[in-house]
Amino acid sequence: GAVVSQHPSWVICKSGTSVKIECRSLDFQATTMFWYRQFPKQSLMLMATSNEGSKATYEQGVEKDKFLINHASLTLSTLTVTSAHPEDSSFYICSAGRGLAGEIGELFFGEGSRLTVL
Amino acid sequence: QKEVEQDPGPLSVPEGAIVSLNCTYSNSAFQYFMWYRQYSRKGPELLMYTYSSGNKEDGRFTAQVDKSSKYISLFIRDSQPSDSATYLCAMSANRDDKIIFGKGTRLHILP
Repeated sequence: GAVVSQHPSWVICKSGTSVKIECRSLDFQATTMFWYRQFPKQSLMLMATSNEGSKATYEQGVEKDKFLINHASLTLSTLTVTSAHPEDSSFYICSAGRGLAGEIGELFFGEGSRLTVL
Repeated sequence: QKEVEQDPGPLSVPEGAIVSLNCTYSNSAFQYFMWYRQYSRKGPELLMYTYSSGNKEDGRFTAQVDKSSKYISLFIRDSQPSDSATYLCAMSANRDDKIIFGKGTRLHILP
């Protein structure tokens, strides 16, 4: 399958700081990227859908001012957790759609980024 | 009632056994049903997906969907230690619709 890379894979930060996570599609262009959050022993919860060149669409309950998403190119989307707090500690995973609007079977996940906020 | 219910396990079975993983759901609009495998500290990878009811087989894996019962299953034959992972079911109403994930079942295959 296609390759989606996330960086960093693991980050620890102090409370109140901001953290940026990158998601790159390495061998295809992704018009749509998705950001998920996964708490231990919980399912993946969709945070937002990111379309290249336009504003991200956030799921209900996700603060858009806290989780800034930028999809500046067809191969890169970034998630910035602003003023992070311990409750933001989680596993953040992105996925990129190779087909139109992230069609099933054409959706590939990154390795995930584990954020720990002290 | 949550849209997708999945027993988190853990489920431990001996090597070579047949594994049965299941999910139930409440939204009758779901038509696409997927199974993802997620190794520890990694992102999910799609194993297989099916449309509507029926069976689909891929090597040692068989996916079954019973829409009348709102119940889906994944069977793994001749299970191997490398199959040890968390298996997430997922579903959506349309091909490019939002995907709803189950919590995942942790599977341990004992050598």
